[in-house]
Amino acid sequence: AQSVTQPDIHITVSEGASLELRCNYSYGATPYLFWYVQSPGQGLQLLLKYFSGDTLVQGIKGFEAEFKRSQSSFNLRKPSVHWSDAAEYFCAVGPSQTGANNLFFGTGTRLTVIP
Amino acid sequence: GAVVSQHPSRVICKSGTSVKIECRSLDFQATTMFWYRQFPKKSLMLMATSNEGSKATYEQGVEKDKFLINHASLTLSTLTVTSAHPEDSSFYICSALGASGVRHEQYFGPGTRLTVT
Repeated sequence: AQSVTQPDIHITVSEGASLELRCNYSYGATPYLFWYVQSPGQGLQLLLKYFSGDTLVQGIKGFEAEFKRSQSSFNLRKPSVHWSDAAEYFCAVGPSQTGANNLFFGTGTRLTVIP
Repeated sequence: GAVVSQHPSRVICKSGTSVKIECRSLDFQATTMFWYRQFPKKSLMLMATSNEGSKATYEQGVEKDKFLINHASLTLSTLTVTSAHPEDSSFYICSALGASGVRHEQYFGPGTRLTVT
């Protein structure tokens, strides 16, 4: 069975500082990997995804993530955080070995940005 | 494009009553929609997969008689919480699978906060 772990419940960073949000997954093969952001009153928005190929993927809003097979990780990074990045971030996996399109989410990491 | 709406955004109901939540894909047709439940400080838990014109597929542990799902058209799925109890209070989120055929391309609604008193 697949699972997703986000070890950090809450992270606080200063505006302009770099950010890394951790995500580890468990799956029998390489799954499809996603990062979403959830802001109050808005639906989850896809930041980026990894299906195959280049293990460093670029997303929207200046985010990037790197897939590391050896570590079963897909950490999200941003070189310089903006106050508007404060939100809840979810890592998710999608089964790659079945035809299902459902997603399994981690517990989320809440990001606070201080001036 | 690819906007999903939910209605209502918030609802308060009394214990024992039923409440219906609508999920609409506004600018695309969605043969598949998903319903999630999000607990405070917890992950989104998939409740069921809703397919247009057929019965929903429920995840293990989700009571299908309590959480009725109807996907009557290509743009509308509804979740009815029947005989609601306070423990059903939660944040319910729907998503719609995009029409492009890209795997796992889900577009999420803004969620519905249900409070059962």
